[in-house]
Amino acid sequence: SQQGEEDPQALSIQEGENATMNCSYKTSINNLQWYRQNSGRGLVHLILIRSNEREKHSGRLRVTLDTSKKSSSLLITASRAADTASYFCATDLNTDKLIFGTGTRLQVFP
Amino acid sequence: DTGVSQNPRHKITKRGQNVTFRCDPISEHNRLYWYRQTLGQGPEFLTYFQNEAQLEKSRLLSDRFSAERPKGSFSTLEIQRTEQGDSAMYLCASSLGPGNEQFFGPGTRLTVL
Repeated sequence: SQQGEEDPQALSIQEGENATMNCSYKTSINNLQWYRQNSGRGLVHLILIRSNEREKHSGRLRVTLDTSKKSSSLLITASRAADTASYFCATDLNTDKLIFGTGTRLQVFP
Repeated sequence: DTGVSQNPRHKITKRGQNVTFRCDPISEHNRLYWYRQTLGQGPEFLTYFQNEAQLEKSRLLSDRFSAERPKGSFSTLEIQRTEQGDSAMYLCASSLGPGNEQFFGPGTRLTVL
């Protein structure tokens, strides 16, 4: 069964706009990882945030984690057409097995 | 390229045939994972290794599936007597150890006719 649920399921924006994707999960986690997947390809690791962290940045990406609400968000600032992809959150329940959500499909129009 | 590699990238087979996929992890990574992804879904965990030891197998991994990592380096995933329901993307990942980032390969797309 899927532990994480991303919201929204799909998001369409113009280049230059910010994109925010949310992930909710059900049980306590060790860490949460965000991935990007271009159509039909493998997953690219974006950011890992641990349960004792609240925010992490990497370039145009900002990830927050609220363990009290069991939720995380991924913000992509100043989006580009190349950011078009599916984005997944994956939780590690201290078992080292990642449990993925169903993803958010992001479309960035030039 | 020092990332995770998988071969073949695509495999088309007839129902009932056996197939084998290979994964080469990042060289210093001692953990290796297999996941399966069907269209429109996120990946689902199948099994993982610490060096050559297989630590856990998902209920998704029926008796027709077997995975090995004989020397603690590359791994193979074999599916015997393939069924149409086995059609999916098979993804391999590796990491330095528990709780660390898992880096994925490009996947092997299996189509069972």
